[in-house]
Amino acid sequence: DAGVIQSPRHEVTEMGQEVTLRCKPISGHNSLFWYRQTMMRGLELLIYFNNNVPIDDSGMPEDRFSAKMPNASFSTLKIQPSEPRDSAVYFCASTPSGRAQYFGPGTRLLVL
Amino acid sequence: DQQVKQNSPSLSVQEGRISILNCDYTNSMFDYFLWYKKYPAEGPTFLISISSIKDKNEDGRFTVFLNKSAKHLSLHIVPSQPGDSAVYFCAASAPNQGAQKLVFGQGTRLTINP
Repeated sequence: DAGVIQSPRHEVTEMGQEVTLRCKPISGHNSLFWYRQTMMRGLELLIYFNNNVPIDDSGMPEDRFSAKMPNASFSTLKIQPSEPRDSAVYFCASTPSGRAQYFGPGTRLLVL
Repeated sequence: DQQVKQNSPSLSVQEGRISILNCDYTNSMFDYFLWYKKYPAEGPTFLISISSIKDKNEDGRFTVFLNKSAKHLSLHIVPSQPGDSAVYFCAASAPNQGAQKLVFGQGTRLTINP
């Protein structure tokens, strides 16, 4: 049974470029979460979806960040334009309506 | 405003002994608590959870204790094994904040020495 799949696993880009991170949740899970992990702020929730609908985006840092979930098996997190301070590990997680969330391996983003 | 705190950034334990990881929280509305384990270059893995209606939950070598009056929970690992070396995060959620929203602590790096 495949877990949460994230791509790419690593991304290096230059300041000002657009970055798109992708996530495929576990089949049958109807909630999806995007997190960011940094040394300074730890693991913080950016946005989450229930049944493909964004429920809470209060953690999205700025308008440069956007997230979509066009269907139950795919979500994207986009940063446009990217800045060096966006460098972090971005995790996607999903859950089948329970409290325990299941995380993907993460995307390590470096913005130069 | 750090609602979930893990005050020990690191912990070193001898193989076979008990590992005790601690977590404190400030929000009295939290009603569900979880522990996650994270290896380098991997995502956090769910370990064990506890509802606020309980004070203990056990799963194999892992036991979580909840002290609501002290707003404190702990994870006990007995016996500790080298594969337990990882970063451990506690997390909490509250129904009035969206039951699915998890607030994480900063993590404790556990090292099991052979």
